[in-house]
Amino acid sequence: DQQVKQNSPSLSVQEGRISILNCDYTNSMFDYFLWYKKYPAEGPTFLISISSIKDKNEDGRFTVFLNKSAKHLSLHIVPSQPGDSAVYFCAATVNNNDMRFGAGTRLTVKP
Amino acid sequence: EPEVTQTPSHQVTQMGQEVILRCVPISNHLYFYWYRQILGQKVEFLVSFYNNEISEKSEIFDDQFSVERPDGSNFTLKIRSTKLEDSAMYFCASSPGQLLLAPLHFGNGTRLTVT
Repeated sequence: DQQVKQNSPSLSVQEGRISILNCDYTNSMFDYFLWYKKYPAEGPTFLISISSIKDKNEDGRFTVFLNKSAKHLSLHIVPSQPGDSAVYFCAATVNNNDMRFGAGTRLTVKP
Repeated sequence: EPEVTQTPSHQVTQMGQEVILRCVPISNHLYFYWYRQILGQKVEFLVSFYNNEISEKSEIFDDQFSVERPDGSNFTLKIRSTKLEDSAMYFCASSPGQLLLAPLHFGNGTRLTVT
């Protein structure tokens, strides 16, 4: 089941620069998308979400972009900080039902 | 800030044994979930629970699995006869509302090792 794909297992960025994490999906019925952040030995923590009726949602340093025609979403973090180093999971849901997670991208922000 | 708590943090069991993973969701939450993450793989949905019954379950959640909310605070996942491939990190999550309105709050997980 590869309905949500994060093709980059890792990403390394310099502090202060922009981090761009990408996610692709195959199920056109997905209507809500979320990003979760996960630190080692902790559960995933909700970061930001976007409804399928929008193409952008911004919350502080975090912006999620949705391109429905390309079935692609991305998370932008700017400026990146060392504390942002974590695994980022993209997730999607249909009609409030179970979330499908991507495999995650490990972000490392170097000081 | 209220947290979802899971116990134990690590459980080791022999193949064929029953295990119960325990979770205390956030007190005013109404929706409860179990997810698992096999080492190096993605987080997978197992089951959702609302109004004292299963509302959704995945193909992974077969007859070996069951969930229960025995009182007003605990939410448990039971695996009746564990298999080696059940070894994973199991995450409990809760939410005050449906996903469109309220994202999930996850616990820190229970690492289950089946030998």
